[in-house]
Amino acid sequence: QKEVEQDPGPLSVPEGAIVSLNCTYSNSAFQYFMWYRQYSRKGPELLMYTYSSGNKEDGRFTAQVDKSSKYISLFIRDSQPSDSATYLCAMKKGGSYIPTFGRGTSLIVHP
Amino acid sequence: KAGVTQTPRYLIKTRGQQVTLSCSPISGHRSVSWYQQTPGQGLQFLFEYFSETQRNKGNFPGRFSGRQFSNSRSEMNVSTLELGDSALYLCASSLGDTNTEAFFGQGTRLTVV
Repeated sequence: QKEVEQDPGPLSVPEGAIVSLNCTYSNSAFQYFMWYRQYSRKGPELLMYTYSSGNKEDGRFTAQVDKSSKYISLFIRDSQPSDSATYLCAMKKGGSYIPTFGRGTSLIVHP
Repeated sequence: KAGVTQTPRYLIKTRGQQVTLSCSPISGHRSVSWYQQTPGQGLQFLFEYFSETQRNKGNFPGRFSGRQFSNSRSEMNVSTLELGDSALYLCASSLGDTNTEAFFGQGTRLTVV
C-alpha cells in the first residue's frame, strides 16, 4: 500500500460543476498538505497548502484536511474548461524537506 | 521574477549513453529537488540539494547523480542509460527552510531508445 493514494480518474464534469478531488494517506506524521495542478507537458504548479487540519480557501479553490480520517480534499467551485488538468496531492512531515506525492487525478471539464 | 528553468526541454538518447540535465532555480532559492515522473509510478523523488550539499536522497541506483553549484544551479546526471529511464525529469526550487512551497520547472522529457 502506498503512503498516499489518489484515484487517477479521469473525472469528467460539466462546466460550472463543483469538483471534489481527494487523497487518502496512511502516515499520521504528515502535517503539511499541498495541492498541485499540472497541465499537459508542463511542470506541477502549487495551488495551495495547509498545515494540520482545517480548511483553506483561495478563490474558487478550497482545501480541506481531516486528520482523524487521514483524508484530504480539494474542492473547485464553478469549474471551467481551463481547470482541465491533473491534480496532485502531496504531503510532508514536519521537519522533513521532501513531500510524498499522490499519482494525480485527471480532471476534464467540458463546456 | 523568473521561474525555474530546465534545459534542455527534450532529449533523445541511446541505451548505454549518459545524459546531463540542468536546472536554474528561482533567484534566492537555495534548495533544488529532482523528481522522475512516469505514468506508471507518478512523481518519484531522486535527490535534494541545499547550499551545494546533497541533503536528501531517494531510492534510485547510483547511476543517478547530481550536484549543485554556488549559484544554486543544479545538474543531474544519468549514466549508462536504460530504456526504463525514459521519463519526465522535473526539478523543484524552494527557499530551503521547509520546502513546503516548491516551484517546479517545465521538465526535461528524456527518451531512451
